[in-house]
Amino acid sequence: AQSVTQLDSQVPVFEEAPVELRCNYSSSVSVYLFWYVQYPNQGLQLLLKYLSGSTLVESINGFEAEFNKSQTSFHLRKPSVHISDTAEYFCAVRSTFTDKLIFGTGTRLQVFP
Amino acid sequence: DAGVIQSPRHEVTEMGQEVTLRCKPISGHNSLFWYRQTMMRGLELLIYFNNNVPIDDSGMPEDRFSAKMPNASFSTLKIQPSEPRDSAVYFCASRPGQGIEKLFFGSGTQLSVL
Repeated sequence: AQSVTQLDSQVPVFEEAPVELRCNYSSSVSVYLFWYVQYPNQGLQLLLKYLSGSTLVESINGFEAEFNKSQTSFHLRKPSVHISDTAEYFCAVRSTFTDKLIFGTGTRLQVFP
Repeated sequence: DAGVIQSPRHEVTEMGQEVTLRCKPISGHNSLFWYRQTMMRGLELLIYFNNNVPIDDSGMPEDRFSAKMPNASFSTLKIQPSEPRDSAVYFCASRPGQGIEKLFFGSGTQLSVL
């Protein structure tokens, strides 16, 4: 079985500062990894994903995440955040053998002016 | 496309009542997922279907919960009888098919059981 740990439930940061949201996973088989974002009163939206190939993946709005197999991590980073990045961010994992997508408990990113 | 449509958006009911949540996936999508979101437990996968067939229902809390997908364009999640601890936001999500690694979520149903 797979599991995901997001150690930080909340991350407060000032606008234009860098941010890192941590994600660690556990799995005995190969996995796909994802970051989803949830804005208030909305469903989740896919931010970025790692399936194979380059371990560094990027989103269209400046976020990036790096798959680190040895550390079983998939941390999300952005060099300079905006107020509009305020949202809940979920890391998710699924094995390459099933469709079962398991989410972490989420990290609330709060960007202050 | 209207996206994944869930109804109702909000449901308030009394303990012991039957609750039915509805989901219309995006047309052409082959997989459908039901998730429950609470502050304490985050997002939990309850059940998912591939081509209308339930594949994994190990996340369904107990026998009070049941889910059906009678056709490719409709699914229900039923709770009977409901309890206060069932209060949560229930999300439905669909996926186009094998090899398309992206879930499309509905806006959720906020359920309050008094």
